[in-house]
Amino acid sequence: EPEVTQTPSHQVTQMGQEVILRCVPISNHLYFYWYRQILGQKVEFLVSFYNNEISEKSEIFDDQFSVERPDGSNFTLKIRSTKLEDSAMYFCASSILGADTQYFGPGTRLTVL
Amino acid sequence: AQKVTQAQTEISVVEKEDVTLDCVYETRDTTYYLFWYKQPPSGELVFLIRRNSFDEQNEISGRYSWNFQKSTSSFNFTITASQVVDSAVYFCALSESSGDKLTFGTGTRLAVRP
Repeated sequence: EPEVTQTPSHQVTQMGQEVILRCVPISNHLYFYWYRQILGQKVEFLVSFYNNEISEKSEIFDDQFSVERPDGSNFTLKIRSTKLEDSAMYFCASSILGADTQYFGPGTRLTVL
Repeated sequence: AQKVTQAQTEISVVEKEDVTLDCVYETRDTTYYLFWYKQPPSGELVFLIRRNSFDEQNEISGRYSWNFQKSTSSFNFTITASQVVDSAVYFCALSESSGDKLTFGTGTRLAVRP
């Protein structure tokens, strides 16, 4: 069964460093998303991406964040200058269409020291 | 603005008990979608069900059942004859037809004791 994959599973970085989180969405899906979950809290929407552009973003998704689909399979989230409060689990998701079921990857745990 | 409330933070039951997880939502859209996801201790988010706002029929899938009531803006989830493997955090979520994002509730942590 097709699934969303994410790499790495765990990333440790120093405050102020740039990180890139990678995702491979399900191959026939057209919509891609990033969410984050601070430990013990709810899952929060960051951004949705369709047709090579951002379709919606939350207040959390400020100038330090960016997304890209560099090729036909990968979808990346870049955090330019990490802060301690960026420590969280980051989930990638994809769906066939915008209102369809979103299938989530296993997540990348980001730890900022 | 859309909002999802899961008032039960934690529930603990003994195996084989039935348990109902509550979900109340708010939206101004007439077309919207409701979801339940399971997050086991391993951390991934597992899709369980999606319902659209025009389909109020209750659904049963094995030991799982869902009760959607537009009149009370609720979408409750019942596990019958709970098992230890049901121990997880369960999230209710909402998306509106006017956007793509899922808005999640704060989750209910279910502990099923043997």
